[in-house]
Amino acid sequence: DVKVTQSSRYLVKRTGEKVFLECVQDMDHENMFWYRQDPGLGLRLIYFSYDVKMKEKGDIPEGYSVSREKKERFSLILESASTNQTSMYLCASSPRDRGGLGYTFGSGTRLTVV
Amino acid sequence: SQELEQSPQSLIVQEGKNLTINCTSSKTLYGLYWYKQKYGEGLIFLMMLQKGGEEKSHEKITAKLDEKKQQSSLHITASQPSHAGIYLCGAAGGGADGLTFGKGTHLIIQP
Repeated sequence: DVKVTQSSRYLVKRTGEKVFLECVQDMDHENMFWYRQDPGLGLRLIYFSYDVKMKEKGDIPEGYSVSREKKERFSLILESASTNQTSMYLCASSPRDRGGLGYTFGSGTRLTVV
Repeated sequence: SQELEQSPQSLIVQEGKNLTINCTSSKTLYGLYWYKQKYGEGLIFLMMLQKGGEEKSHEKITAKLDEKKQQSSLHITASQPSHAGIYLCGAAGGGADGLTFGKGTHLIIQP
């Protein structure tokens, strides 16, 4: 069964901490994405990557950075966590041509910054 | 930028009844995805539509993309408690950039 795995389901961090959210996919997908989901705002794209070591800003990149050193792993980094980054974070991957199943999502990480 | 509007925002339906959720785009749709999300969990892929007039079905769920490719509908026949959750439509742009999503439709099935 193909998978996108996010390392944590729930995280609680303190303001100012550096936070790493990890995502691993086993489908050999070229494209990987990080979204955040907030009530009333829906899903918003933070960053995406279409190849190893490549990254592109999405709609709301401020306060975040990403790392993609290996094809299967895409990390989201909060350099200095703030309370307004409390949210549900969803990772997704897709093949280059987005065919077939299209985008596959992980189970999400619910991050609370206190 | 593309925007997707879903209607209704929430829906309460008696078990066994049929229902329809709509997704309207501000621009032509080149690929329309339907996902289901159980509360607090990730998104589960349901269907992808690409061609105007295309219709796909999976079990009791049917999705259509209209001829002009600016609206899609998701229809559930004889709803069951397992259908409860949030339904999201997502649209693909060009290139590798991610999907733009609607805000979702919350579906509650009453026994």
